[in-house]
This record gives sequence, structure tokens and C-alpha cells, in this order.
Amino acid sequence: EDKVVQSPLSLVVHEGDTVTLNCSYEVTNFRSLLWYKQEKKAPTFLFMLTSSGIEKKSGRLSSILDKKELFSILNITATQTGDSAVYLCAVIQGAQKLVFGQGTRLTINP
Amino acid sequence: EAGVAQSPRYKIIEKRQSVAFWCNPISGHATLYWYQQILGQGPKLLIQFQNNGVVDDSQLPKDRFSAERLKGVDSTLKIQPAKLEDSAVYLCASRLGQANTGELFFGEGSRLTVL
Repeated sequence: EDKVVQSPLSLVVHEGDTVTLNCSYEVTNFRSLLWYKQEKKAPTFLFMLTSSGIEKKSGRLSSILDKKELFSILNITATQTGDSAVYLCAVIQGAQKLVFGQGTRLTINP
Repeated sequence: EAGVAQSPRYKIIEKRQSVAFWCNPISGHATLYWYQQILGQGPKLLIQFQNNGVVDDSQLPKDRFSAERLKGVDSTLKIQPAKLEDSAVYLCASRLGQANTGELFFGEGSRLTVL
């Protein structure tokens, strides 16, 4: 059965800390891995990763994919209270099916 | 560019009643998805359409859920009869449908509460 597993499920840190969120996957016909941020509404797109070892960056957020070990990490440096959200990892398979992980709930305390 | 539109935003019904949700994807997006997101969990795919054809409905509880996208544009998702465990947010999303065009655009979701 295809699965995407995120860890930790929940994380509480102080503003200014650096966090690393993990996503591992076991799926057939892997194409790409996506990261989304979900606050109170719909998920918003952060990154798409297709190739191993190539880091994607956007401001304080960065992500990398390891297709040999079947995982990805999302790093957030100098965290701010506005980074508090659920971070979702999803994998695109074959016919563009997306399978989501259960999410990591990140809380940034001031 | 208009986003993915969903309605209603909120719905409260009693168990065994029926409910329907509507989604209008971004213009030109061939692929449309319905996801169920239960509180505290990640979205679970219910059904995926490519234009007006079903690509994947393996996780759709077909005894009570149905979905259609007759003209390959907007879509409806129906639950009949509803159960308590159907309480969730129902997310509609769309993509252009080309390989590696990764971004999935989500609607605001329809929150269903079954009493």
C-alpha cells in the first residue's frame, strides 16, 4: 500500500529557532514530492521536488529530496509566529495521483 | 486569475440525511480532485477526474458517496446517507494536468458536520 509518513506529528518551538520537518514515502511510480502549508483554510503550495539532492529555497524555507533513501526534509530557519501551521507532504504518482501524509503541526511561541 | 470555487462553505446535517458539494476549478484545468480531510489528519483522496473521466475512485465509499463532472468543468460530490464519521472538510483541487506541473490549487473547502 502506498504511504507517506511525516514526522514529528507535532512540534512546538520558540520564535527564532530552526526546525526540520521530515517526510518519508513508499509509493509506486514516484514522480514528484510536494510540500504545502495549511493554516486555517486550504493548503498553499511551497515546493515541488523531482530530482535528488537539489535544494529548493524560498526565503527562510528550504527543502531537499533523497530518492535513494525515499525521504524529504523541509527546513525553516529563524522561525516566526506566522510560520505556525500544519505542513503537509504529498507525493505525485503515475497518473498524477497525489497521496498526502498526515501532516506536522508546527507551533511557534513568541 | 480566479481560484478554485467551492460551495457551500459550511453545512450541518443530521445522520442519514444527504448533502451535495459543488466545485468549479480554475479555467482550463483538466484534472480535478476531491479530498476528505478529517480533523488532525492529512487530506485523503476520494476521487480524481481527468476532464470528465474518472482516473481514480478507489477510496470513494461508493455505497454512499458519488461524484460527477459531466462536462469536464465543474463537479459535484454527494453523500447519501451521511454518517457521523463523514464529518470533515471536503477539499476540491485542480491542476493543469500536465506531467510535472506540480502545483495543485485548492479551494477553501466545505466543512461538513454530521450530528
